[in-house]
Amino acid sequence: EVQLVESGGGLVQPGGSLRLSCAASGIIPSDYYMDWVRQAPGKGLEWVGRSRNRPNSYTTEYAASVNGRFTISRDDSGNSLYLQLDSLKTEDTAVYYCALSRSHFDAFDIWGQGTMVTVSS
Amino acid sequence: DIQMTQSPSSLSASVGDRVTITCQASQDISNFLNWYQQKPGKAPKLLIYDATNLETGVPSRFRGSGSGADFTFTISSLQPEDIATYYCQQFQNLPLTFGGGTKVEIK
Repeated sequence: EVQLVESGGGLVQPGGSLRLSCAASGIIPSDYYMDWVRQAPGKGLEWVGRSRNRPNSYTTEYAASVNGRFTISRDDSGNSLYLQLDSLKTEDTAVYYCALSRSHFDAFDIWGQGTMVTVSS
Repeated sequence: DIQMTQSPSSLSASVGDRVTITCQASQDISNFLNWYQQKPGKAPKLLIYDATNLETGVPSRFRGSGSGADFTFTISSLQPEDIATYYCQQFQNLPLTFGGGTKVEIK
């Protein structure tokens, strides 16, 4: 069974940092693009960014709202995905999901359970 | 960025009713559109990919149609387990963008 499991969420003050992790099992993650999508409380879905697969050198893309503050990376094996959140703002408060398109391009058929990030003083 | 306008934002229908949700893109996105279902406290679930294709294991009462800038998502006969919020998502360009969601409730 393919599974994505996020961890690392929590409460952080504005201006602070946090590192989220997404562990994949049941697939070879380095073969796939992996994305982060977030959802603020009571709001809709917002794409955060992407790590392309190994053949594409794990290059990254970001939403304008997080560009320069968030960094997506993978471990050397490519099996874990990370989201480094810096210079956090209250509006970054959200559930953060990692997601993967296994079967159809840019259609997220595999999602993690999400991890909550709360930015508050 | 491509804006996705979804309507209505909420609807209430009876079991067995036909439910229709529309999604309009701010530009032509061909068939680069997906539909998701999200139940409270859960991650989204892919229902329709490439505008019209039913994801494996998804009941056939769910249907997607459209191309270009105008898309429709239909539940042919609403069931109690379909209570959820539904989102469209375009993948013509980065950033990927989602519609605002449609919350479906039982009348």
